[in-house]
Formats: sequence, C-alpha cells, structure tokens
Amino acid sequence: KAGVTQTPRYLIKTRGQQVTLSCSPISGHRSVSWYQQTPGQGLQFLFEYFSETQRNKGNFPGRFSGRQFSNSRSEMNVSTLELGDSALYLCASSLFASGGRVETQYFGPGTRLLVL
Amino acid sequence: GENVEQHPSTLSVQEGDSAVIKCTYSDSASNYFPWYKQELGKRPQLIIDIRSNVGEKKDQRIAVTLNKTAKHFSLHITETQPEDSAVYFCAAQAKRNSGYSTLTFGKGTMLLVSP
Repeated sequence: KAGVTQTPRYLIKTRGQQVTLSCSPISGHRSVSWYQQTPGQGLQFLFEYFSETQRNKGNFPGRFSGRQFSNSRSEMNVSTLELGDSALYLCASSLFASGGRVETQYFGPGTRLLVL
Repeated sequence: GENVEQHPSTLSVQEGDSAVIKCTYSDSASNYFPWYKQELGKRPQLIIDIRSNVGEKKDQRIAVTLNKTAKHFSLHITETQPEDSAVYFCAAQAKRNSGYSTLTFGKGTMLLVSP
C-alpha cells in the first residue's frame, strides 16, 4: 500500500497570506490527524477528522482550520499567517476500529512552511 | 488533558552500549503507548508500541516496558548502532466510552550513537 502523502512538501509565504495543505491517507484509513512540529515545542496536535467530521481539536487559534472529504483526503488551512507559524506540518492516518481499539497512526512526510 | 514528560532530552552513547528513554503520563485512562523514531529530515516512523494489557514487548534490539501503576513507560535499545541515531518520541492515547482522546507526544529525545 502507498503511504501517507502530503502536498506541497515545501512552501514559502509572507505574513498575512493564507495557505492550504493537503494530505492523502493510506488507502482504507478513515481517520486523519494533523500536527505542528517545531524545534521548541515538539509535535503538537492540531485536529483530527473522521468521516468528514472534526472529532478532536487542539489548542490552536481559529486561524487554523481543516476539513475532510468523502474519500478521506484532508486539507488544513492557515489564514493570516504569522512568523510563528513557520513549522513542519505533519498529517497522520489510521484505521478506525469499531471494537474500541486505538489504532496506530502513520505519518506523512510533512509540509515545511516558512513564513517571511 | 494528558501530559507526557520524556527524559532525557539528549542521550549520547557509544556503539554497542544500551540506551534507555523514559516517559511518564498523567491520564490514568491512557491505554496505548507508541514510540516513534524520526531521522533528520524524515517522517516519524513507528518502531514499537504497547497496550495496557501487557507489561513488556520486545522486537529484536528494541523493548518497551509499561508500569501502569506508576504511569511510566520506557524504551530500551540494546547493542546500539550509528543508524539508531535519531529523535525518539513517546506518546500516549486513551480510548474512552465517550470517544477517543488525542495522541499526546513527549518532547523527544535526541539519541546520538558514536562509532
């Protein structure tokens, strides 16, 4: 099976602009989570989507939003970019098991965003 | 919410030595504990995980132990090799009747293995 893919891999934007990042999960995976990775803060949870519904949300401002499509692909959007938004944005996909078992998350390669 | 503490933040060992990374968590409902390895410029990759119904799990040179009473779990790497050099992240997640909690990560340990 193909792994999780993310596009674009690199982005350079200026303050005030907005950006949209895309994530395609592993085939059959219905849950997609997004994380922000920075050297100082590690991996911080942004949000999780399952069946086109946001299931969990992290402690990020409303400028960060996301959505999931019927084919499980997900996008995240950051509006009014700030310098501090420069980071590696990772998405991860997992199966959803109705039996209540927590399933492993598999990461994509990330999108490296630089805000100037 | 869940809080995961990871120590040490950096660990330097000689090739062939063992390395141990420790994590503690705060949410007693956590029942899934994965470990990820992230090499420079690459994605985090799962190397081993453990669920709360077991106390130890091994996979070749890697082992993870879990102490639910003390709320801590550890990664053990034996016979370290230079290719083990990477950042290692622990994480914890709970499954509740009301739904899933999020996967909460520790801040990472940079492991350097010198030849």
